[in-house]
Amino acid sequence: KAGVTQTPRYLIKTRGQQVTLSCSPISGHRSVSWYQQTPGQGLQFLFEYFSETQRNKGNFPGRFSGRQFSNSRSEMNVSTLELGDSALYLCASSLLGRGLSETQYFGPGTRLLVL
Amino acid sequence: AQSVTQLGSHVSVSEGALVLLRCNYSSSVPPYLFWYVQYPNQGLQLLLKYTTGATLVKGINGFEAEFKKSETSFHLTKPSAHMSDAAEYFCAVSRTGTASKLTFGTGTRLQVTL
Repeated sequence: KAGVTQTPRYLIKTRGQQVTLSCSPISGHRSVSWYQQTPGQGLQFLFEYFSETQRNKGNFPGRFSGRQFSNSRSEMNVSTLELGDSALYLCASSLLGRGLSETQYFGPGTRLLVL
Repeated sequence: AQSVTQLGSHVSVSEGALVLLRCNYSSSVPPYLFWYVQYPNQGLQLLLKYTTGATLVKGINGFEAEFKKSETSFHLTKPSAHMSDAAEYFCAVSRTGTASKLTFGTGTRLQVTL
């Protein structure tokens, strides 16, 4: 079974632009979570989607948004990019995202550099 | 609010030596605790997790962790380090009781030397 895939793997943008990152979960997984990883702030939860609905949200500004499609693939969008948005963005999927018996599987991440 | 503190951003051990990575949590309710490993240019991989029940949790690659409520700790250990263990390790706590929303510690980079 294929793992979680994220595209693109690397991205360079300039301040003020917007960016869309994509995540394809493991087949059959319906919960997709997004995390931002930076040297200064570490790993921070962005949001979680389940059945095309945002179920949980972290403490990020409204410039960060996401969505999930009927096939469980998810995208996250960052508008009006700032230098501080440079980070590794990780996507994780799990079957239902409920209960602690489930395991989250992480993708390799998309490394975004904002110049 | 729940949080985790990882003591030591860098730990260096010799191959074959004991690995001990420290994690302390703060939580007003029983926590659910996780250890993840991240290899260079890769995502995170779950090593082990504590939910309820046995306080000594065994994970993959020979790692284990013990939940100690009295010390609010969940330290990760491995009896004998291998070169392939060199990676960054993250302790995490679940806020909501689901594994899909985690609060991570700042990470500990493990170096294994010959």
